[in-house]
Order: sequence, then C-alpha cells, then structure tokens
Amino acid sequence: DSGVTQTPKHLITATGQRVTLRCSPRSGDLSVYWYQQSLDQGLQFLIHYYNGEERAKGNILERFSAQQFPDLHSELNLSSLELGDSALYFCASSEEGRMNTEAFFGQGTRLTVV
Amino acid sequence: SQQGEEDPQALSIQEGENATMNCSYKTSINNLQWYRQNSGRGLVHLILIRSNEREKHSGRLRVTLDTSKKSSSLLITASRAADTASYFCATYINQAGTALIFGKGTTLSVSS
Repeated sequence: DSGVTQTPKHLITATGQRVTLRCSPRSGDLSVYWYQQSLDQGLQFLIHYYNGEERAKGNILERFSAQQFPDLHSELNLSSLELGDSALYFCASSEEGRMNTEAFFGQGTRLTVV
Repeated sequence: SQQGEEDPQALSIQEGENATMNCSYKTSINNLQWYRQNSGRGLVHLILIRSNEREKHSGRLRVTLDTSKKSSSLLITASRAADTASYFCATYINQAGTALIFGKGTTLSVSS
C-alpha cells in the first residue's frame, strides 16, 4: 500500500460527459502528479501541483483541468469526453516537490468512455 | 513528451537468468529513477540514482548511470517469475516546474 488513494477505481461513462477523479496523497506529501496511461501513448505526464499551486503542465488537453485543495487532495476533471480518453489515470505524490525524491503511485482509475 | 526511452521494449527470459534493461534520456538530470508496474496496477519505486553516482545496488537490482552518454541500465539478477512486469525509467526535467517524466517502459516476462 503506497498510501496514495484514488477514487473511483473504475468509471464507465458516455461520450460528451464530464467526470471527476479524486486523489488523496500520502500523509505529509505536498506534491501531486497526474498521469494518463494508454496502450499506444505510454505514461503521459499531465500536470503537477505543489501545495495548492500548479507547478508544471504536460500534455494535458484543454478539456481537462485539475486542482489541489487546501487539504492537499487533488481532483482531475475531464469534460466533453471522447472515446480516446479511455485510459488508466494515475496520481502520484512526493514530499515537498523537490527533485530528489521518489514518487508514490495510487492504484489508478480506469476510465472507459463508451 | 518522453524524456527517457527504454530498450528493449520487450524481454523474455527463463527463471534464474539475468535481465538487463537500458534507458536513454535527453536533458541533464539531478537523478534517475526506476519503477516497476505489474499489469494494470500502480507503479512502484525501485531505486533512485543521483547524477554524481555511477552505480547503485538494492537486493537483486543493480543500476548504473553514465551521464556522459545520458544512459542508465537496470540489471535484475537471478530473475524470478514474480519479476514479470513493466519497468520504467523516470527523470525530473530540469526546467521551470518539476515534472517527473517516464519512458515507455520495458516489458519483462520471466518464465519458470
């Protein structure tokens, strides 16, 4: 158990819909990273938050947004869903946003868009 | 975008054999990390090697880093069926923000 909790574990929704994925980082970790993993694209970095502030942005679509709340949990919002958004979405946390620390991953949310 | 690229993409070996995976990266790094992912599950951190280190060991794992060639290798000795998984290298990119970027991974299959 990594200490990172992601909910829900599975999500099936229709095209055009909006969903929210939730991540609770390890106790004390201030950084949260979001990733999308699909078979053809590998593990794609989406966005990094540190202590409530956006720190780095990767290949995140405009239809996607994220935020980190004062209690440090984070949410990834996906809207106007398309079939191609079907993937595993992972969050990871690390301490203090320093570049010398390991990241701890949640078990992921499997999103299926039908 | 990918920072690290693993090689080979897939590797099949017998139990007891050694498995070597390589990772090449593009930009300067503070450290390089290796992670393992069992099918469809979250990634698990294996080992971190800093840019001023050349070799690091952890149990049956041996990692080397050559910053002049921008490459790293992960050696798993005496492989077991339980080592079957995908292995990824990851680095923090040295620019504004701290994005941990992963390669596409090597899929290791160990048969008994």
